[in-house]
Amino acid sequence: QLQLQESGPGLVKPSETLSLTCTVSGGSISSSSYYWGWIRQPPGKGLEWIGSIYYSGSTYYNPSLKSRVTISVDTSKNQFSLKLSSVTAADTAVYYCARHVPSITIFGVVPENWFDPWGQGTLVTVSS
Amino acid sequence: QSVLTQPPSASGTPGQRVTISCSGSSSNIGSNTVNWYQQLPGTAPKLLIYSNNQRPSGVPDRFSGSKSGTSASLAISGLQSEDEADYYCAAWDDSLNGQVFGGGTKLTVL
Repeated sequence: QLQLQESGPGLVKPSETLSLTCTVSGGSISSSSYYWGWIRQPPGKGLEWIGSIYYSGSTYYNPSLKSRVTISVDTSKNQFSLKLSSVTAADTAVYYCARHVPSITIFGVVPENWFDPWGQGTLVTVSS
Repeated sequence: QSVLTQPPSASGTPGQRVTISCSGSSSNIGSNTVNWYQQLPGTAPKLLIYSNNQRPSGVPDRFSGSKSGTSASLAISGLQSEDEADYYCAAWDDSLNGQVFGGGTKLTVL
């Protein structure tokens, strides 16, 4: 059974870089043709997709966050990671990682479909 | 402001049927499939419906999804107290080239 687990600092100072890692167990990131995504949820608010990465390293990012986001994959550790730079209080949220099911399109393999399963989430607070 | 529009709240009594709507546009729901997630209090979202109307293994058939044009709906029949949760619709948006979510609907079982 595939499981995902987020890890990283729970407190980040304003203007610094938020760094999280998602460890995948019960399956290999590189053996399956899936994307791996990050989604966040500010306290009391809705879900926001941050971005997704293919096992080969191809990425898609939310246009509203693209300038500050980097998602990378480490197939040797079966992990993928999120870096969000220049954080402010507005970046305070529960961050989830999830497997993201793609479609094969004329543009290539695109993460158009659903997220399943999800990690349990980790709260990151931006505060000095 | 979410790209997909959902009512902020919905309610029903045990045994009732409730529906939750999700409205989008030609660049998202109109041209891509819709997925629904259930988020029980204090937990991570869970996939409830995928590809408009498909249920993952383990999801009761009380939950059903449909899509017409640029709108989609989630229906819950035989409402139970454990269905009290937040429900989110989501779809790919061709214009944004990204995944978009609805703002979520809080379902209360009276």
